[in-house]
Amino acid sequence: SIVLTQPPSVSVAPGETARITCGGNSIGTINVHWNRQKAGQAPGLVIYNNHDRPSGIPERFFAYNSGNTATLTISRVEAGDEADYFCQVWDSISDHRVFGGGTKLTVL
Amino acid sequence: QVQVVESGGGVVQPGRSLRLSCAASGFTFYTFDMDWVRQAPGKGLEWVAFMSSDGNSKYYADSVKGRFTISRDYYKNTVYLQLNSLTFEDSALYYCVKNREGGSLESWGQGTLVTVSS
Repeated sequence: SIVLTQPPSVSVAPGETARITCGGNSIGTINVHWNRQKAGQAPGLVIYNNHDRPSGIPERFFAYNSGNTATLTISRVEAGDEADYFCQVWDSISDHRVFGGGTKLTVL
Repeated sequence: QVQVVESGGGVVQPGRSLRLSCAASGFTFYTFDMDWVRQAPGKGLEWVAFMSSDGNSKYYADSVKGRFTISRDYYKNTVYLQLNSLTFEDSALYYCVKNREGGSLESWGQGTLVTVSS
């Protein structure tokens, strides 16, 4: 079954670019989705199908998926981007949904 | 607008049962897959269960298979999660989530808290 590995934390200064990775064996062959959870709130979708943004998500959020790693990049980071970010896939072999462990983005 | 509202959580003793409800509105309920996802305090997201739009497919996390049952009422636009044989490890905030086409988790409720305590 698929295991998704994320770094526990990423820290960036305001205005810089944050990169959050999600590793998994051959995940480049399937769709990866990203959810964001701000403190005290329910999660929300920020990227679906590897690189698509739902309405309301700014272009600063960009993602790609290739090989064994999916990457979420957030450019021109703002204080409001501080949150936990979770990658997620559907494992069609086991028919299970799989989440990464989550990455806490801290804006310095 | 799309809304999913969970209810039914509470404090329950180990081994007992609970039924969670998720009232959906603002979208064509019978055309979207639905999930339950839980989050223990201070922990990450854990997928619990999935039910297809037509009700023909149901899948469960290994940790709950055989104890939890997902169902949906198309007349009431409601998804349920029946929790049986509860253990301390089932204590969490349970989210109901509407899928987007393609399998992403698009619309999340605010969650309902289940606490298993003796």
